[in-house]
Amino acid sequence: KAGVTQTPRYLIKTRGQQVTLSCSPISGHRSVSWYQQTPGQGLQFLFEYFSETQRNKGNFPGRFSGRQFSNSRSEMNVSTLELGDSALYLCASSWSNTDTQYFGPGTRLTVL
Amino acid sequence: GQNIDQPTEMTATEGAIVQINCTYQTSGFNGLFWYQQHAGEAPTFLSYNVLDGLEEKGRFSSFLSRSKGYSYLLLKELQMKDSASYLCAVLGGGGSQGNLIFGKGTKLSVKP
Repeated sequence: KAGVTQTPRYLIKTRGQQVTLSCSPISGHRSVSWYQQTPGQGLQFLFEYFSETQRNKGNFPGRFSGRQFSNSRSEMNVSTLELGDSALYLCASSWSNTDTQYFGPGTRLTVL
Repeated sequence: GQNIDQPTEMTATEGAIVQINCTYQTSGFNGLFWYQQHAGEAPTFLSYNVLDGLEEKGRFSSFLSRSKGYSYLLLKELQMKDSASYLCAVLGGGGSQGNLIFGKGTKLSVKP
């Protein structure tokens, strides 16, 4: 069974731009969660989607948004990029929001 | 608040046993997870505890005491490839359901 996939793997943007990241969950998984990982803060929860509905959101500004499609694929968008948004963005999928989450390889975003 | 503490770094010798401790204070609890993360890679799932006690999986074991807010990951017969960061994470409950709350990770170095 294929694992979680994320595209693109690497991205370089400049301040003020916006970016869209994509995540395809493991087949059959309906819950998709997004995390931001930085050296200083570690892994921090962004939001969780289940059946196209955002059920939980972390403590991030409104510039961070996401959505989930009917096939469970998910996208996250960051608008008006700031230097501090440089991070590894990880997507994880699970059967439900109380099951084990399996992570994709991540998207490394660099904001210049 | 929500807080998960684990040592920042540990060093051990190949073939030895190492125990990585994790203490947590969270507003809800739906299980405790351990993930392994090699540098530049995504976290991979190691173990899951939701009830008190020890779970064994090959060279890896994980223990949970919910009353003490305490867990440990035990790695036996250490190999060089075990050099990685080990992340302790609590799956939140209530309003944080679906939200994995991570510790900052313990960087383990295995020396010959």
